[in-house]
Formats: sequence, C-alpha cells, structure tokens
Amino acid sequence: KAGVTQTPRYLIKTRGQQVTLSCSPISGHRSVSWYQQTPGQGLQFLFEYFSETQRNKGNFPGRFSGRQFSNSRSEMNVSTLELGDSALYLCASSLAGRSPLHFGNGTRLTVT
Amino acid sequence: KNEVEQSPQNLTAQEGEFITINCSYSVGISALHWLQQHPGGGIVSLFMLSSGKKKHGRLIATINIQEKHSSLHITASHPRDSAVYICAVNPSKFVSYNTDKLIFGTGTRLQVFP
Repeated sequence: KAGVTQTPRYLIKTRGQQVTLSCSPISGHRSVSWYQQTPGQGLQFLFEYFSETQRNKGNFPGRFSGRQFSNSRSEMNVSTLELGDSALYLCASSLAGRSPLHFGNGTRLTVT
Repeated sequence: KNEVEQSPQNLTAQEGEFITINCSYSVGISALHWLQQHPGGGIVSLFMLSSGKKKHGRLIATINIQEKHSSLHITASHPRDSAVYICAVNPSKFVSYNTDKLIFGTGTRLQVFP
C-alpha cells in the first residue's frame, strides 16, 4: 500500500508569491490534516479535512487555505508569502480522524 | 506555559541503556500520540493511546489520565533509535467527533551512541 505522498518535496518562492502544496493520502483514508513545523514554533496544526469538508482550522491567518477533493487528495495554498512562512509543511492521513496518523515526508518551503 | 510539555529536551545514551521520555499535558484529551521524527523530517506514528499501556517491540508507552502524564520507554536502546520523539494530544473538546487536530510538545532529541 502506498504511503502518504506530498509534492513537491522542496520549493523556493519569493515574498508576495503564492504556493500550492499537494497531499495524496493512503488509499481508503478519508481524513487529511496539515501541519507546519518551524524551528521557532515547532509543530502546529493548520487544518483538517474530512469528506471534502474543513472540520477544523488552527490559528493561522486567512492567507492559509486548503481543500479536499472527492478522491480525498488535498491541497493547501498560501498566498502573499512572507519570510516567516518558511517551514516544513507536513500532511497526514487517517481512516476517519482520531485514529493512527500516517505522515508524508513533507514539503520544505523556503521564502526569500 | 505550553499545553503539552516534554522532558527532557535532549537526551544522550549509550547503546543498551533504558530510556524514558516524559510528557505532561494541561488540557483534557481524547487521545495521546507518540511520534518519531528522523533527520530529513519524516514523522512516524509510534503509539496512539487513551488509557493504560501499549508495547511494540522495544518501545512501551504508558498514560495516566488522572495525572495527565504519559511516558515513552525504550528498552535496550540502539543507535538507530536516535531521533526526535514528539508527544501530541487530541484535545477533548472535539470529542463529539473524531479529529486529527493535535497539540504538540516541543520534542525530545535522543542520541544513542554505540
């Protein structure tokens, strides 16, 4: 069974640009969640999707958004990038929430 | 004060030693996770528990709900156990439905030397 796949692995963008990250969950998993990891703030919850609906959102500005498609694949978008958005963005999937999580390898975003 | 606190922040050990990492939390929870992160960023879920004790190979996780405390033990540690171990909780105010919203501890960096 294929694991959680995140693309791209690395990304370099400049301030003011926007970026879209993609996450393909394990087949059969309906819950996809996104997390940001920075050296200063550690790991923080961004948002969670289940059956194409955003079920929860963390304490991030509206520049951070996401969506989930009918095949459970998810994308997150960050608009008007700031230097502080440089981070490792991790996606995880689970069967239906509050079950063992399976993480992707992350997308490392650098904003210059 | 962080809602999830881990100790120690850094830990070094000799191969074969018994290791304990502690996690305390101040919020109501529906479940607690222990995660392992290797250099390069990939995270592996080791345990998810809401009561008692779980064991997987050389790893044991325990939780005491009344004391809001969990421990991760590694028996017969090995250099390949070197990683960052992260405690995370599902806050219970979301217990009306299953959620993957997590509050994370800051992690414990473990180095095991041969």
